[in-house]
Amino acid sequence: DSGVTQTPKHLITATGQRVTLRCSPRSGDLSVYWYQQSLDQGLQFLIQYYNGEERAKGNILERFSAQQFPDLHSELNLSSLELGDSALYFCASSVEGSETQYFGPGTRLLVL
Amino acid sequence: AQKVTQAQTEISVVEKEDVTLDCVYETRDTTYYLFWYKQPPSGELVFLIRRNSFDEQNEISGRYSWNFQKSTSSFNFTITASQVVDSAVYFCALSEAPQTGANNLFFGTGTRLTVIP
Repeated sequence: DSGVTQTPKHLITATGQRVTLRCSPRSGDLSVYWYQQSLDQGLQFLIQYYNGEERAKGNILERFSAQQFPDLHSELNLSSLELGDSALYFCASSVEGSETQYFGPGTRLLVL
Repeated sequence: AQKVTQAQTEISVVEKEDVTLDCVYETRDTTYYLFWYKQPPSGELVFLIRRNSFDEQNEISGRYSWNFQKSTSSFNFTITASQVVDSAVYFCALSEAPQTGANNLFFGTGTRLTVIP
């Protein structure tokens, strides 16, 4: 158990819908990262937050957005969902000064 | 640009055999970090090891060992006396150390290891 929690574990929804994925980092970790794992794109970095502020952006679509709250939990919002958004979404966290990221169990999203 | 290459897509070994997973990376940074993660069939990503670019000392941890060679930009991972529980997808990853603190991971495509009993 990495100490990073993600909810829900599974999510099934329809095209055009909007969903919110939630992540709680390990105690004391200020950085939160979101990654997407799909069969065709592999593991890709989406976005990083540090203590509530966006720090880095990767291949994140405009339909996707994220935020980190004062209690350091983070949410990833996916809107206008398409079939191709079906993937495993991981959250990871790290402590300041460490490069090691610890991953949550992931949320498996299926868009029908 | 950063790149991580895991040329071996799938490997099958018989239990108790040794197996080496290859990883080659590209980066322009002089300071960077290399990682191995394991993804068992249950799906989570489990951190195994981190190596800093300025520390080429190889490491052994139980049945696992890592060989980091800057001269060939490789960071290979060996499992000795493999067990069925080692069956998983193994990812090599690279993190650069920009002053902005943006230290996201660049992953290879993974190597699926199957250990046959």
